[in-house]
Amino acid sequence: DTGVSQDPRHKITKRGQNVTFRCDPISEHNRLYWYRQTLGQGPEFLTYFQNEAQLEKSRLLSDRFSAERPKGSFSTLEIQRTEQGDSAMYLCASSGGTSGANVLTFGAGSRLTVL
Amino acid sequence: AQTVTQSQPEMSVQEAETVTLSCTYDTSESNYYLFWYKQPPSRQMILVIRQEAYKQQNATENRFSVNFQKAAKSFSLKISDSQLGDTAMYFCASRGNEKLTFGTGTRLTIIP
Repeated sequence: DTGVSQDPRHKITKRGQNVTFRCDPISEHNRLYWYRQTLGQGPEFLTYFQNEAQLEKSRLLSDRFSAERPKGSFSTLEIQRTEQGDSAMYLCASSGGTSGANVLTFGAGSRLTVL
Repeated sequence: AQTVTQSQPEMSVQEAETVTLSCTYDTSESNYYLFWYKQPPSRQMILVIRQEAYKQQNATENRFSVNFQKAAKSFSLKISDSQLGDTAMYFCASRGNEKLTFGTGTRLTIIP
């Protein structure tokens, strides 16, 4: 297993466009998390899945944000009508399996720049 | 609700010296976990060390150890014999439910 993979690593878009990020977790992990990190800050929780069920969403996740995890494998995070304030690093993490539910393994992140 | 506070935005230390990063937290959970994560300039977050709150013994991982003071809600990270590769952002985090709550981080620079 190559760890948590995120794609694309960088995305530059114009305000008002839609963007989608993909996360492939470690295969044995049943939990998947999305975080957002702005410059100089710690990651902030956005949402989390257990298998295919989205169990919690942060108030940070406005109506323009939607996340899915079909079949409990990879996940997508879509941002509609992007705004400049959406510029950030979007981090995906997974947990479960032999490493346990409490230890999150993070991907390298997808950096979004909204012009 | 959980909060994590890191009061040292930046620190620097000479190579081979020991450095301690501070962290305080607050949580309403009775059972929780505490973590230190490292984020090098390449930006992938890596777990450094973890502590289960119900365990009194402080966790140790090679050159990394913690000082967990439950009553004071303090969770500091000590790095011994610091190396150039330790240069990174260090985040303290608390997990009481499914969410991991992070502090704002400490930027640590190891000086050759």
